[in-house]
Amino acid sequence: EADIYQTPRYLVIGTGKKITLECSQTMGHDKMYWYQQDPGMELHLIHYSYGVNSTEKGDLSSESTVSRIRTEHFPLTLESARPSHTSQYLCASSEVVGGAYSYEQYFGPGTRLTVT
Amino acid sequence: GNSVTQMEGPVTLSEEAFLTINCTYTATGYPSLFWYVQYPGEGLQLLLKATKADDKGSNKGFEATYRKETTSFHLEKGSVQVSDSAVYFCALHGSSNTGKLIFGQGTTLQVKP
Repeated sequence: EADIYQTPRYLVIGTGKKITLECSQTMGHDKMYWYQQDPGMELHLIHYSYGVNSTEKGDLSSESTVSRIRTEHFPLTLESARPSHTSQYLCASSEVVGGAYSYEQYFGPGTRLTVT
Repeated sequence: GNSVTQMEGPVTLSEEAFLTINCTYTATGYPSLFWYVQYPGEGLQLLLKATKADDKGSNKGFEATYRKETTSFHLEKGSVQVSDSAVYFCALHGSSNTGKLIFGQGTTLQVKP
């Protein structure tokens, strides 16, 4: 059973507000990821981290930012929320299983964000 | 670059029907392949995986075989249940140490009683 947590699960907020989506894992994984999931269910990688003080932008451009000060914590921040940010946000972490390049990702339950 | 293509949904089946969801991939080297499932309102859960050619992953009655010759990893189940209704994602991890997965677009399965 993977131990990765996201809060809040649901958030409705007005335009222009600053928000932080929390993600924590207790598995000691170095690698963590944020995905944005559109209504068609497709997943888009927006940020990832290889470890403390390491963050990179993903394949989909995002106005959000992330930080990784502690191994277990990978929060995502939107400085000024807009309706276009309305989406489902999923956090994940990964570990090597089996061979050297065989990774497995574990996902949190997601945060459904609605910006009005 | 690496990519994953899944059959488009939604797939609608009656209970106890046979399920196939097609997945093909493009990758260099020897990727690991995965199927994830997402139930309504939840995150993704790993359903099964295969790390080398001809491996068969299986879990909860679902199976998929890593076919390098056809670059495929089709998901099958002999008899679906209403509780299998979910979105299914095929994914690959290439030959690197990034841990980044390449996901297909997802296939929605609806099983009717």
